[in-house]
Amino acid sequence: EPEVTQTPSHQVTQMGQEVILRCVPISNHLYFYWYRQILGQKVEFLVSFYNNEISEKSEIFDDQFSVERPDGSNFTLKIRSTKLEDSAMYFCASSTPSTGLYEQYFGPGTRLTVT
Amino acid sequence: DQQVKQNSPSLSVQEGRISILNCDYTNSMFDYFLWYKKYPAEGPTFLISISSIKDKNEDGRFTVFLNKSAKHLSLHIVPSQPGDSAVYFCAASHTGNQFYFGTGTSLTVIP
Repeated sequence: EPEVTQTPSHQVTQMGQEVILRCVPISNHLYFYWYRQILGQKVEFLVSFYNNEISEKSEIFDDQFSVERPDGSNFTLKIRSTKLEDSAMYFCASSTPSTGLYEQYFGPGTRLTVT
Repeated sequence: DQQVKQNSPSLSVQEGRISILNCDYTNSMFDYFLWYKKYPAEGPTFLISISSIKDKNEDGRFTVFLNKSAKHLSLHIVPSQPGDSAVYFCAASHTGNQFYFGTGTSLTVIP
């Protein structure tokens, strides 16, 4: 069964450093998303991406964040200068109209630890 | 910002009985709702959805009920199985892009 994959599973970085979290969505999916979950809190929407551009973003997704689909398979989230409060699980998700536009398939997540 | 709330952080149910998980929302513009199940160290898995034009959607052992006037939805699992033990999140959206998640309810099904 096709699945969303994410790398790395755990990333440790120092405050102020740039990190890139990588995702490979399901191959025929057209819509891509990033979410995060701070430990003990709810899953929060960051950004959605369609047709090579951001379609919606939350107030969390400020200028420190960017997304890119550099090729036909990868979808990346970059945090330019990490802060302690960026420590969280980051989930990538994808969806496609043929399986139900709102049915988002999630990857296993990347745990980001900022020290 | 607590647009979606799950007021019960945990629930324990005997195997074979019904599990009822509840979710409340505040934004009357929400028109699509989903339930996700999450195991530790995994991403959320889509379970079932409902749009605001319906008040019930059923898929096997899972049924979601929507009460728009009360801004309340619930997930019923019948019969509950030990493998259903997980954290359940409800999520709601107006645009279909940005989903607002609840804080989750940890379900334990006791064999």
